[in-house]
Amino acid sequence: GAVVSQHPSRVICKSGTSVKIECRSLDFQATTMFWYRQFPKQSLMLMATSNEGSKATYEQGVEKDKFLINHASLTLSTLTVTSAHPEDSSFYICSARDPFRSGYTFGSGTRLTVV
Amino acid sequence: DAKTTQPNSMESNEEEPVHLPCNHSTISGTDYIHWYRQLPSQGPEYVIHGLTSNVNNRMASLAIAEDRKSSTLILHRATLRDAAVYYCILVNAGGTSYGKLTFGQGTILTVHP
Repeated sequence: GAVVSQHPSRVICKSGTSVKIECRSLDFQATTMFWYRQFPKQSLMLMATSNEGSKATYEQGVEKDKFLINHASLTLSTLTVTSAHPEDSSFYICSARDPFRSGYTFGSGTRLTVV
Repeated sequence: DAKTTQPNSMESNEEEPVHLPCNHSTISGTDYIHWYRQLPSQGPEYVIHGLTSNVNNRMASLAIAEDRKSSTLILHRATLRDAAVYYCILVNAGGTSYGKLTFGQGTILTVHP
């Protein structure tokens, strides 16, 4: 089936540094990908929509300068958390839709811990 | 966005059927009913979706009420691997919100051996 690969699966970084998370569609092209964030014991919240070749669209309340999204190819979107702080610690998940398959496919998620 | 309402939690015994309800009284004509599930520390997994008619696939069945204001996800024989949070989500077929999934709190399904 459709596979979305997300790396790294977990990362620990120091406060003030930046972290890049990659999301790849392995067997299909994705002009649009979505980035979600999930805090412990809470549901997923959409952060932004990543569009290949154009600027990402951010949901209300999400700082675009802090969460940089790049979608340079039809199979890769990256989310960079800049100047990370402990409150950015969360589970980040990407998703995309293979037009030839049902539903949306999600990556396995990235557990970010900022210390 | 149209919202869904699900019970916070449900329990089942292994190898018994499970019926997970979802209310979506404000559903619009172009909203598809999607179900996803999420195991701990993993991304959600697509389960099934439908528009008006009942749907079956290898994972589950989806029963949609005639007025489309509610639906039920049916797991025919629960296994321990089915223990997860199940999300019922309305996905609009068009417009600017296409593809944006709004997750509610979902139903935590516990399966007892």
